[in-house]
Amino acid sequence: GQNIDQPTEMTATEGAIVQINCTYQTSGFNGLFWYQQHAGEAPTFLSYNVLDGLEEKGRFSSFLSRSKGYSYLLLKELQMKDSASYLCAVRESSNYQLIWGAGTKLIIKP
Amino acid sequence: DGGITQSPKYLFRKEGQNVTLSCEQNLNHDAMYWYRQDPGQGLRLIYYSQIVNDFQKGDIAEGYSVSREKKESFPLTVTSAQKNPTAFYLCASSQGATGNTIYFGEGSWLTVV
Repeated sequence: GQNIDQPTEMTATEGAIVQINCTYQTSGFNGLFWYQQHAGEAPTFLSYNVLDGLEEKGRFSSFLSRSKGYSYLLLKELQMKDSASYLCAVRESSNYQLIWGAGTKLIIKP
Repeated sequence: DGGITQSPKYLFRKEGQNVTLSCEQNLNHDAMYWYRQDPGQGLRLIYYSQIVNDFQKGDIAEGYSVSREKKESFPLTVTSAQKNPTAFYLCASSQGATGNTIYFGEGSWLTVV
């Protein structure tokens, strides 16, 4: 079956580093997305991985291992504004539609 | 500025009424989507369209209808057949089905009163 798993909630300290994991089981794979969503707002795009390895973009990095069905989002130098939900989504190769995880709520403490 | 515009932001529906949520994009994207988001759950696909005058049902299409008469417009109607319509609705678009970025509108909150 299709399944995306992420931790429900994580807490971290301002200035620190946090890693949000995502594991997936899908019938086919055509890319993995990470989005940030502040409460009551639309998701905003963070990263897209289709090949194995690490993609770095400023304070945010995303890693993919297709053989393990695993990705993580790494956030460095955490700021209070990073408090949000982080959504992992996998695009299936059969119909190119996204399967979404329930999101990880990240709480940043001073 | 290019983007996706959803309206209204907040909408109240009486039981038995149909309501329509508007979604307009000026990104020249071929593909458009409607998602529903409920607390503690991932986004669920209602309908999607990859080209004008064509659309497909997503995972939870029952009680909803759409049209795609113009490339830039993809309105969603929540019909009275949808028994639990209170949710946050998100419209999105991408440059083709395999685009590496999907852009979202600001969302519409629908509440049944």
